[in-house]
Amino acid sequence: GQSLEQPSEVTAVEGAIVQINCTYQTSGFYGLSWYQQHDGGAPTFLSYNALDGLEETGRFSSFLSRSDSYGYLLLQELQMKDSASYFCAVNPLASGNTGKLIFGQGTTLQVKP
Amino acid sequence: GAVVSQHPSRVICKSGTSVKIECRSLDFQATTMFWYRQFPKQSLMLMATSNEGSKATYEQGVEKDKFLINHASLTLSTLTVTSAHPEDSSFYICSATDRGKYEQYFGPGTRLTVT
Repeated sequence: GQSLEQPSEVTAVEGAIVQINCTYQTSGFYGLSWYQQHDGGAPTFLSYNALDGLEETGRFSSFLSRSDSYGYLLLQELQMKDSASYFCAVNPLASGNTGKLIFGQGTTLQVKP
Repeated sequence: GAVVSQHPSRVICKSGTSVKIECRSLDFQATTMFWYRQFPKQSLMLMATSNEGSKATYEQGVEKDKFLINHASLTLSTLTVTSAHPEDSSFYICSATDRGKYEQYFGPGTRLTVT
């Protein structure tokens, strides 16, 4: 099976940098994804790591270390609009690369002025 | 980016009735669509994987006779909640993938309230 652990809440100030961690126990996966969801809205894709290392996309970066069963999402130059829930997710090898995702419990980020 | 629509966005129904939710990929062919439900302040729980022209694959604990899924074309999947009960009240979200892509494109969700 798969389980992904994230902190439930994180608070940071505007302009700061915040890191949201995701530790997992899984029997194998194709990659680790990150999604953002504003309250009442649809999740939107942020980043994907198939290989170990850092992927950078503008203010957002994501990191994966398969040997440590760990990943993180790094948000820089925080803005008020970044206040949202952030989910890590894996697509299990057992799914046969259908694109199926198993989500973590999510981290609610609150950005304060 | 790819766009997925869902209809209706909100629906209120009485206990015992059935409700159909549509999920459409507007500008790409979705080989696979997924249905999730989400309770307030909680994660997305995958209900089923839907492939065009074949039976849906349901996750453990999801009643396939209660949550009927039909994926009639590469752009449309439907979820029918049959004989709805108040505990079925939830936010239902669909998503779709394009062949060979890892990114899922999510619909805006449907808020179902069963009275």
